[in-house]
Amino acid sequence: NAGVMQNPRHLVRRRGQEARLRCSPMKGHSHVYWYRQLPEEGLKFMVYLQKENIIDESGMPKERFSAEFPKEGPSILRIQQVVRGDSAAYFCASSPGQAEYGYTFGSGTRLTVV
Amino acid sequence: AQSVAQPEDQVNVAEGNPLTVKCTYSVSGNPYLFWYVQYPNRGLQFLLKYITGDNLVKGSYGFEAEFNKSQTSFHLKKPSALVSDSALYFCAVMKGGSYIPTFGRGTSLIVHP
Repeated sequence: NAGVMQNPRHLVRRRGQEARLRCSPMKGHSHVYWYRQLPEEGLKFMVYLQKENIIDESGMPKERFSAEFPKEGPSILRIQQVVRGDSAAYFCASSPGQAEYGYTFGSGTRLTVV
Repeated sequence: AQSVAQPEDQVNVAEGNPLTVKCTYSVSGNPYLFWYVQYPNRGLQFLLKYITGDNLVKGSYGFEAEFNKSQTSFHLKKPSALVSDSALYFCAVMKGGSYIPTFGRGTSLIVHP
């Protein structure tokens, strides 16, 4: 079981470019969560998805950010027109059901906007 | 609303000594409580959880945590610290029946040889 796979591990983008972050959940997990980690701020929830559905996106900025979890393939977090403030570590987690089972986290994508 | 506080940014302990990493929470209803550990440049790893039952929960790597309802706390403990325990520790709380836990800001544990 390969665990939660995130790629790329490191991503450098210039201001105004698009960033695409991918997450493949653990086998058998149908619930995916995206979190952002900033120094001094801890881990902040962004969005919760199940296959083909966004369940809760209350933590995601209204503009420039979007997420999807298609029927086939990985979950994608997309950030359009990146700005320096988007630089952070983005973590994906998956679970087989509700979060009370405990998440399994990926190793994260570290986005740097230059 | 649910929230969790980790009052210490950093905890220092000598190898072999007992360690405690503190966590207090606020949630309406029954809490689900979690501890995760993060090593440098890695994702968070699940350590243990409290859902119901015994207040003392045992988890991975010799860690345990005690749920104290009256003090709304869920402190992480280990009887004898190892240098390899040095990492960032996150407490999380979730209201029973909810699906999104709220994480604390993390506590950096440093175990000195």
